[in-house]
Amino acid sequence: QVQLVQSGAEVRNPGASVKVSCKASGYTFTSYYVHWVRQTPGQGLDWMGIVYPTTGKTEYAQKFRGKITMTRDTSTSTVYMELSSLTFEDTALYFCARGPFDSWGQGTLVTVSS
Amino acid sequence: DVVMTQSPLSLPVTLGQPASISCRSSQSLVDSDGSTYLTWFQQRPGQSPRRLIYNVYKRDSGVPDRFSGSGSGTDFTLKISRVEAEDAGVYFCMQGTYWPRTFGQGTKVEIK
Repeated sequence: QVQLVQSGAEVRNPGASVKVSCKASGYTFTSYYVHWVRQTPGQGLDWMGIVYPTTGKTEYAQKFRGKITMTRDTSTSTVYMELSSLTFEDTALYFCARGPFDSWGQGTLVTVSS
Repeated sequence: DVVMTQSPLSLPVTLGQPASISCRSSQSLVDSDGSTYLTWFQQRPGQSPRRLIYNVYKRDSGVPDRFSGSGSGTDFTLKISRVEAEDAGVYFCMQGTYWPRTFGQGTKVEIK
């Protein structure tokens, strides 16, 4: 069955960076792009961007440009999302989701704390 | 960006009774290909979102037929014909016609 398995919770200091992984299985990795979505209690769901596994091409939401970098490794069917220059406002649950949003990862909690 | 506005934001429902959630977009979601990309998700406590309905009314495999989606243009509705205990959670709409994808604020369905 289709599965997206994300890496575990992370804690970082302000100003640091973090890289979250999302490993796909159960389908042809290069057949679907992968989204990243942020969830915060007060702000709901925020679409962050997309990576196309075949080409590595990315598209980022305006508000996250300069903040995120999405990459992929076709040899391991894994996509990555790196957040830089972390602030307290980046504390959130981060999800990956397959193209049509028909399958989601379990979420990765990133906590920014001094 | 397209703004998605849901109402109500909180919906207490009695078991066995119907429930209805509205989602309005700031512009028409009809794509140049003629399709309308409006999706509904359910998120139970502690879980990831689950897609229930796509393209306004198409139900995902395994989704009970008490869930139905309708609407057109800028005005959409998710209906639960008879609420069951397992339906408690937050429901989100999302538009998939324009970039960036945008979500509604979420409607919390609680069982009275």
